[in-house]
Amino acid sequence: DAGITQSPRHKVTETGTPVTLRCHQTENHRYMYWYRQDPGHGLRLIHYSYGVKDTDKGEVSDGYSVSRSKTEDFLLTLESATSSQTSVYFCAISVDRNQPQHFGDGTRLSIL
Amino acid sequence: GNSVTQMEGPVTLSEEAFLTINCTYTATGYPSLFWYVQYPGEGLQLLLKATKADDKGSNKGFEATYRKETTSFHLEKGSVQVSDSAVYFCALTNNAGNMLTFGGGTRLMVKP
Repeated sequence: DAGITQSPRHKVTETGTPVTLRCHQTENHRYMYWYRQDPGHGLRLIHYSYGVKDTDKGEVSDGYSVSRSKTEDFLLTLESATSSQTSVYFCAISVDRNQPQHFGDGTRLSIL
Repeated sequence: GNSVTQMEGPVTLSEEAFLTINCTYTATGYPSLFWYVQYPGEGLQLLLKATKADDKGSNKGFEATYRKETTSFHLEKGSVQVSDSAVYFCALTNNAGNMLTFGGGTRLMVKP
């Protein structure tokens, strides 16, 4: 398995609180991605990074921000969580663009 | 924009039956196509891929052929096993190769 660790694996929080999810990789891959998975929608890209401090928006980026200060870590932040952001969040990595992505085991986030 | 349409599930089969999961896509240019599999409680795993028209991807008895004329990438397996029970996702890259677009997923249930 690709060396990807997501933390926490589960989180329950309240509306309006800030939440940060962490993705850590040991593969030294250039690209890192954050997706959310919701029933009937498959996975949808939130943000991605193509290098340290280089990030870009995906399909559903509103309400989310990201940071990548080191090659191995990619953080996803919900500045003020809303119930619509209840979902399962997956991190993925790839050695470069156009290469297969490898996924972590996910973080289940519930916002009450 | 790009989109992927998969047959809705669940698909329920008996062990050793033939499997087809349909996938069609809309995209500009020449995307790469992928099938991913997700087992319960886990992240997505790459099952197979095809990078150009008429390519056939194969792995673990599963096959899919990149059909540009019908914009399809149907997944097939000649004889399914109970252990194949999972959710299957069809996906494609954008032209830059830095984003994946997923279908909604198809749940496969194989009964002994």
